[in-house]
Amino acid sequence: AQSVTQLDSQVPVFEEAPVELRCNYSSSVSVYLFWYVQYPNQGLQLLLKYLSGSTLVKGINGFEAEFNKSQTSFHLRKPSVHISDTAEYFCAVSSYKLSFGAGTTVTVRA
Amino acid sequence: IAGITQAPTSQILAAGRRMTLRCTQDMRHNAMYWYRQDLGLGLRLIHYSNTAGTTGKGEVPDGYSVSRANTDDFPLTLASAVPSQTSVYFCASSEGPGEKLFFGSGTQLSVL
Repeated sequence: AQSVTQLDSQVPVFEEAPVELRCNYSSSVSVYLFWYVQYPNQGLQLLLKYLSGSTLVKGINGFEAEFNKSQTSFHLRKPSVHISDTAEYFCAVSSYKLSFGAGTTVTVRA
Repeated sequence: IAGITQAPTSQILAAGRRMTLRCTQDMRHNAMYWYRQDLGLGLRLIHYSNTAGTTGKGEVPDGYSVSRANTDDFPLTLASAVPSQTSVYFCASSEGPGEKLFFGSGTQLSVL
């Protein structure tokens, strides 16, 4: 079995401040890890993914994530957010099926 | 334009009725998925198929069934709809486990 837990349901943040979204997973087999973003009234877009190799993964729009195998975590970070980063962010884990976390709503304020 | 087509876009359904949500992809992807998206619960996997002829249960399979007779089509059937099945349903596909998901535009289903 596999599962994904996003530790924060809502994250308010001021513009130009850093943000970290936390994701923990559990799985009995090796997995691939993803972060997706859903902007208001839009579909999901892939931000970044971890397959293997370097544990620090860079994605689109200045986001990056770090895979930590011992802590079974895949936290997403951005050093300086913009108003346009207001969206819902989903962590996902894939082995023989792909499961999503419950999502973290990021609201960026001026 | 290549991608995933879902139909219908929206539907209002009386409880107890049978309903099939259609999903077709033209990218020749092996893997296909059905998710439901509910506020505060994210996307929950209903059923999946890793290749034509095979299907598997996701996290919330009860009350739903799927078939994968060929690579392109992956219909989702609600045998007897209940109000708790009111949701937005997304079909998705990918080339394989480590690959990006492509999503359909969703079906808004209301069961009254």
